[in-house]
Amino acid sequence: DTEVTQTPKHLVMGMTNKKSLKCEQHMGHRAMYWYKQKAKKPPELMFVYSYEKLSINESVPSRFSPECPNSSLLNLHLHALQPEDSALYLCASSQRRGGEQFFGPGTRLTVL
Amino acid sequence: AQSVTQPDIHITVSEGASLELRCNYSYGATPYLFWYVQSPGQGLQLLLKYFSGDTLVQGIKGFEAEFKRSQSSFNLRKPSVHWSDAAEYFCAVDTDRGSTLGRLYFGRGTQLTVWP
Repeated sequence: DTEVTQTPKHLVMGMTNKKSLKCEQHMGHRAMYWYKQKAKKPPELMFVYSYEKLSINESVPSRFSPECPNSSLLNLHLHALQPEDSALYLCASSQRRGGEQFFGPGTRLTVL
Repeated sequence: AQSVTQPDIHITVSEGASLELRCNYSYGATPYLFWYVQSPGQGLQLLLKYFSGDTLVQGIKGFEAEFKRSQSSFNLRKPSVHWSDAAEYFCAVDTDRGSTLGRLYFGRGTQLTVWP
């Protein structure tokens, strides 16, 4: 299995909702990443987990809360988001930090 | 500070024509280098990578890239473009060369349009 899966594909939420994005990989990778991508822009790194420990938080607002329950799963919990948080959220994994990253298809998030 | 430059925001080519997408990086040492492709609303797919060794690397879908240390460049090429190659292309570098500090820095992307 050489893919990264993300659910849901699309998510529409209000500013008072709580929702979660899920990412899964079964390649035995020990580094996992969350990126945010706005239209016509490159992905922006949000969080990096290495061996299930948070190793990078790129000054992301606390309304985004990552979680890595085990080496295959990565969640992103969302609460009290703003309309400007609407974007494509991409998950990626790599064997370890550094080297090639494998990306999931993304979750298209719309905040109303 | 490290940076990745893709000077062309948008390139248009005719189907069957050759293609070259430019990428330059600013970093003291040789980083790990990557090209990714992204179709609309999709994730990023790795086309090819350079870690060391032969400076001409072959990738998927008929793409190749050449690393030129003297020019700090890693340009992507394809001899004959197909309509399905229309997409956004991102150059990326990992300046910590696969170490435990590694992370990717992306260029701003080049949008490729292919005319029939």
